[in-house]
Amino acid sequence: QVQLQESGSGLVKPSETLSLTCTVSGGSIRSYYWSWIRQPPGKGLEWIGYIYQSGSSNFNPPLKSRVTISVDTSKNQFSLKLSSVTAADTAVYYCARVNYHMREAVDVWGKGTTVTVSS
Amino acid sequence: DTQMTQTPSSLSASVGDRVTISCRASQNINNYLNWYQQKPGKAPNLLIYAASSLQSGVPSRFSGSGSGTDFTLTISSLQPEDFATYYCQQTYYTPGTFGQGTRLEIK
Repeated sequence: QVQLQESGSGLVKPSETLSLTCTVSGGSIRSYYWSWIRQPPGKGLEWIGYIYQSGSSNFNPPLKSRVTISVDTSKNQFSLKLSSVTAADTAVYYCARVNYHMREAVDVWGKGTTVTVSS
Repeated sequence: DTQMTQTPSSLSASVGDRVTISCRASQNINNYLNWYQQKPGKAPNLLIYAASSLQSGVPSRFSGSGSGTDFTLTISSLQPEDFATYYCQQTYYTPGTFGQGTRLEIK
């Protein structure tokens, strides 16, 4: 079965760029949308954006100017970059698979990685 | 953005109880409504998609209903492992917004 694993820096300084990668195992990155979702400490879930294998993407408008999501089909990976971070970007970041056969529900989640923004 | 409002925000119940959680969208989302369960320190887990379709492997005590703007998640007979936080999510409009969550606690 498909599994997702996030990797990247767990500590980022204010104003710098957060970078995370998600590795997809047990299946191909093709034919699905791939998403990043975050959860600040003690709070709810916030959708960041998604990308398709073709590179077409869509982002949450408040984050759009700071977000880049890319896909590397040769490595079965997709990545998130969030620029100009502040303490408000401190959260658990999940990578996820969006299944458009299920009304675009997220049917596979990574375990999540904690990112702290602090000097 | 499409606002998703869950009620109640928290709920105390006993094993064996029937529990209902509501989710209301600020505009019509047809049946593009999903439900997730999240336990502390874990990633969310998909329970219901398309308002009423049970995800593979999810116990049949979970069910969903609704269309348009009003939706419901029902747990027919609470089990100890069901105590968690539940989120609804609409995926009809971008961004795919989540409700604020309903925390289900043991009475």
